[in-house]
Amino acid sequence: AQSVTQPDIHITVSEGASLELRCNYSYGATPYLFWYVQSPGQGLQLLLKYFSGDTLVQGIKGFEAEFKRSQSSFNLRKPSVHWSDAAEYFCAVGGYSGGGADGLTFGKGTHLIIQP
Amino acid sequence: DAGITQSPRHKVTETGTPVTLRCHQTENHRYMYWYRQDPGHGLRLIHYSYGVKDTDKGEVSDGYSVSRSKTEDFLLTLESATSSQTSVYFCAISAGVAGNTIYFGEGSWLTVV
Repeated sequence: AQSVTQPDIHITVSEGASLELRCNYSYGATPYLFWYVQSPGQGLQLLLKYFSGDTLVQGIKGFEAEFKRSQSSFNLRKPSVHWSDAAEYFCAVGGYSGGGADGLTFGKGTHLIIQP
Repeated sequence: DAGITQSPRHKVTETGTPVTLRCHQTENHRYMYWYRQDPGHGLRLIHYSYGVKDTDKGEVSDGYSVSRSKTEDFLLTLESATSSQTSVYFCAISAGVAGNTIYFGEGSWLTVV
């Protein structure tokens, strides 16, 4: 069965500092990987996705993620965080169709706190 | 933004009463999903649909049923609501082809008292 682990429940970062959110997955075939962000009381917004090709993926809001098959990881990074980045971040894995048929499996999320 | 509308957005209901949540899409996507979000659990799939009248169970389907009589509408029904079903419910849609993304609605907050 597929699964996603986000080891950090909470992360606190100072504004302007760099950020890395960790994501490890378990999937029996080629994974399709996603990062979503959720602000309080809102739905989920797609930050970026990896399907194939270049393992370094660029997303919106200055985020990037790197797929490392050997480590079963898809960590999210940002070189300099802004106060508006405070939110909940979810990593997710899907099947061959990128989400069709059986949906996505989500990690439990990482809550990002930005210190002034 | 993906054309997904969930209704109602907020509802308080009593234990034992039936509740139906509606998801309406304007994208003509084949796949539709219902997830629930709970603290410490992330999002978990309840049911999904891969076409009109074609549905299947997800990870946490007990106590829920779904129906899809039209491409654009996907209904989630709690036949007899329980306090454990207090949650935020998200509808999502996908074209379901390789490389495609799942898009989420804004959520429906359900409280069972």
